[in-house]
Amino acid sequence: DGGITQSPKYLFRKEGQNVTLSCEQNLNHDAMYWYRQDPGQGLRLIYYSQIVNDFQKGDIAEGYSVSREKKESFPLTVTSAQKNPTAFYLCASSIDWGRYNSPLHFGNGTRLTVT
Amino acid sequence: DAKTTQPNSMESNEEEPVHLPCNHSTISGTDYIHWYRQLPSQGPEYVIHGLTSNVNNRMASLAIAEDRKSSTLILHRATLRDAAVYYCILKYSGAGSYQLTFGKGTKLSVIP
Repeated sequence: DGGITQSPKYLFRKEGQNVTLSCEQNLNHDAMYWYRQDPGQGLRLIYYSQIVNDFQKGDIAEGYSVSREKKESFPLTVTSAQKNPTAFYLCASSIDWGRYNSPLHFGNGTRLTVT
Repeated sequence: DAKTTQPNSMESNEEEPVHLPCNHSTISGTDYIHWYRQLPSQGPEYVIHGLTSNVNNRMASLAIAEDRKSSTLILHRATLRDAAVYYCILKYSGAGSYQLTFGKGTKLSVIP
C-alpha cells in the first residue's frame, strides 16, 4: 500500500545534539511538508517542498533544516539552535503544489523528546 | 489568512449522528473548506472538502451555508473509531499558495 513512513516513532536526544527525522513516501507525490504539533495545539508548518531540489521556510523554520534530494524523501534535521525541540513531528505529502483540492497525506509522526 | 472557529469539544452517543460546526465569517471567494481528523498519536487524515455545494463521501457529509460563513461536518452514525480531533481549515486556492493552517480543532468523544 502507498503511504508515508516516518521513523522512528519515538526519539530521545540530549540537549545540544542535532537529530534527523526520516520521512519517506511512495505515493509519487511532488509536494512534501513538515509540521510540528505541541500538546493540545494545532499543527504549525516548518518547511515545505514543492518539487525535488527545492524547499521553502514555513511559519516556524528557525532551528530546523531540510533537504529534498529525492522525490520520495524529505528528512528534517532539528538542530541545537531550536530552543524547544520536544514535540510531535508530522510529515505530509500532496500530489502537487498547484492543485487546490488535493488532500494532504500524513505519516504517523515522530515524537521527539530532548532532555 | 482567513480563520475558523470551532468548539473545543463535543460529545456524541454511539450510533447517533454528529454535527460538527465551523464558523469562517472572513472566508474569501477562493477559499475551499477542508476537514481533517486526527486520532490519538496518529497523523491527521483527510475527511472531505467543498467550495459552495454540499458534499458527500463514504466518511461524512459537508453542509455549507449559503453565505459560506459557516459549515457543518456530519457523521451519520458515530462509532467509537470516530473519536478524534476534527479540524476545519480554509484552503486558499489562489496561484502560488498551498498552505493549510490547522487550529486546535474540536475533540469529539463518542460514548458507548
